[in-house]
Amino acid sequence: EDQVTQSPEALRLQEGESSSLNCSYTVSGLRGLFWYRQDPGKGPEFLFTLYSAGEEKEKERLKATLTKKESFLHITAPKPEDSATYLCAVRHDIYSGAGSYQLTFGKGTKLSVIP
Amino acid sequence: GAGVSQSPRYKVAKRGQDVALRCDPISGHVSLFWYQQALGQGPEFLTYFQNEAQLDKSGLPSDRFFAERPEGSVSTLKIQRTQQEDSAVYLCASSLVSLISSYNSPLHFGNGTRLTVT
Repeated sequence: EDQVTQSPEALRLQEGESSSLNCSYTVSGLRGLFWYRQDPGKGPEFLFTLYSAGEEKEKERLKATLTKKESFLHITAPKPEDSATYLCAVRHDIYSGAGSYQLTFGKGTKLSVIP
Repeated sequence: GAGVSQSPRYKVAKRGQDVALRCDPISGHVSLFWYQQALGQGPEFLTYFQNEAQLDKSGLPSDRFFAERPEGSVSTLKIQRTQQEDSAVYLCASSLVSLISSYNSPLHFGNGTRLTVT
């Protein structure tokens, strides 16, 4: 069964303490891997799309990388305002020979950055 | 508006009551999705519209769930005879292009409707 697994479920960091979040996937025909940030009471906010192994994207203190089996979201010198749940999602071939449009999400990693 | 707008933000329904949840996508966006998000979980796909056509409703949990987008813009998700297991946040998302032909486009989400069935 196709799966997206995120780890850890929760992560507490001191301000300035860099770390990484992991997203592993077991889908066939990956069309894109997406990272979203979700604040309490809000909808997911788009961060990055990665398409192929070796690709990297950066935005402020965040850098996303992709391998054939997993993606990492690296957070460098985090600040309290980086506290949120980070969701990983994949778009992949669901029907043989056809394109895909659904996003399959992981359960997310809840990040807390303590001042 | 600048983003996807959903209403109401909160809805409390008694078990057995019908509810209707509204989504105003970003103007001009072709694709529209409904997702269901239970507490502590990631969003789960419910249904997909390309303009006014409902191309996939495979994620709707039962025949009590019905979605429409009659003019290709505003969409309504209706739940009949609500049950406690329907309690969740219902998220709407839109995308500029048809995702049947172009999978590059990210989804832009609204802030959801939190449904509580008592």
